[in-house]
Amino acid sequence: KAGVTQTPRYLIKTRGQQVTLSCSPISGHRSVSWYQQTPGQGLQFLFEYFSETQRNKGNFPGRFSGRQFSNSRSEMNVSTLELGDSALYLCASSQTGEGAAEAFFGQGTRLTVV
Amino acid sequence: GNSVTQMEGPVTLSEEAFLTINCTYTATGYPSLFWYVQYPGEGLQLLLKATKADDKGSNKGFEATYRKETTSFHLEKGSVQVSDSAVYFCALSPNSGNTPLVFGKGTRLSVIA
Repeated sequence: KAGVTQTPRYLIKTRGQQVTLSCSPISGHRSVSWYQQTPGQGLQFLFEYFSETQRNKGNFPGRFSGRQFSNSRSEMNVSTLELGDSALYLCASSQTGEGAAEAFFGQGTRLTVV
Repeated sequence: GNSVTQMEGPVTLSEEAFLTINCTYTATGYPSLFWYVQYPGEGLQLLLKATKADDKGSNKGFEATYRKETTSFHLEKGSVQVSDSAVYFCALSPNSGNTPLVFGKGTRLSVIA
């Protein structure tokens, strides 16, 4: 069974640009969550999608957005990039995204904003 | 609100030493508790979990017991190996509804031969 796949693995962007990251969850999983990981703030929740609907949202500005497609694949978009957006972005998939359901993480996309 | 506090790192141990990484939590109700591990350049992998009080999660020689009375979920391993060098994250998930995982800040473990 294939794991969670995130593309690309590495990105370098310039301030002011926008970027789209992709996540393909494990087959059969309907919940996809996104996290930002930085040395200073640790792991911070961005948003969660379930069956194409955003079900939860973290405390990030509107420049961060996402969507989920009918095949459960998800994308997140960051517009007007800032230096502080440099981070490892992790995607996690889960069958239900609830309670004790195990979340499986991808390897992440390392975004560097210069 | 929900929060997880885990011991600051880094932790440096010699091979075959005993490991404890402390984790305490604050939550409404009775959450599920998890330990995740992140190896260099990788995403997070679930190491073990416990879903109710007094449950013991175990995997690859690691253990953690869900202690409701002390709101703790400390990670232990009797004899660490160099290959255990990684960052360890304690996390909780409320059992009601679909609120996301809440993570601690992570503890970096380095095991030297």
